[in-house]
Amino acid sequence: QSALTQPRSVSGSPGQSVTMSCTGTSSDVGGYNYVSWYQQHPGKAPKLMIYDVSKRPSGVPDRFSGSKSGNTASLTISGLQAEDETDYYCCSYAGSYTWVFGGGTKLTVL
Amino acid sequence: QVQLVESGGGVVQPGRSLRLSCAASGFTFSSYGMHWVRQAPGKGLEWVAVTWYDGSIKYYADSVKGRLSVSRDNSRNTLDLQMNSLRVEDTAVYYCARVGDDGYSFDYWGQGTLVTVSS
Repeated sequence: QSALTQPRSVSGSPGQSVTMSCTGTSSDVGGYNYVSWYQQHPGKAPKLMIYDVSKRPSGVPDRFSGSKSGNTASLTISGLQAEDETDYYCCSYAGSYTWVFGGGTKLTVL
Repeated sequence: QVQLVESGGGVVQPGRSLRLSCAASGFTFSSYGMHWVRQAPGKGLEWVAVTWYDGSIKYYADSVKGRLSVSRDNSRNTLDLQMNSLRVEDTAVYYCARVGDDGYSFDYWGQGTLVTVSS
């Protein structure tokens, strides 16, 4: 149950697009299409942004999109807004009814 | 609307026990699996445990297996986490979260309760 690998930080300017990665193994990210992404503002609870690799819950802007290739999943945020600046975590089902999170990526909107 | 409210956190000495609770409302609690997820201060999220909608099946992260135990009372709409033999490294904010409709995501989260293990 090793944590998924996420870059510590990414940045982009307002209006631009940014993509952050989430790398696991064939036992988690690569083995299942059950990657989800969470946005967490400081001192707040995480919020589901993407599930099943690329599906968006109702209410999440379509600026947020997800994808996966092999053992790496990605979250792309287009049309960056100041309010997007915060922490993002990926999560993958890891089999045998266990889950594993990434270490988190801090997004800075320049 | 879906609400999850954790309680029971506090300061406890290493080796002692603590019991957390999560009160659910706004949805049919007995129809959903529930998770516990924790976050050490300044660190990332760590999955802790899951229980099936009826409490019949429970799974745990290796780091807590044998020490933490999840249970639920569907008549009271509550989810509990019994924490025994606590260690300093168990210090974290503990969140309860609902299993998403896909079965593999965490669609609603509580605000968390802080557990500090310190002598």
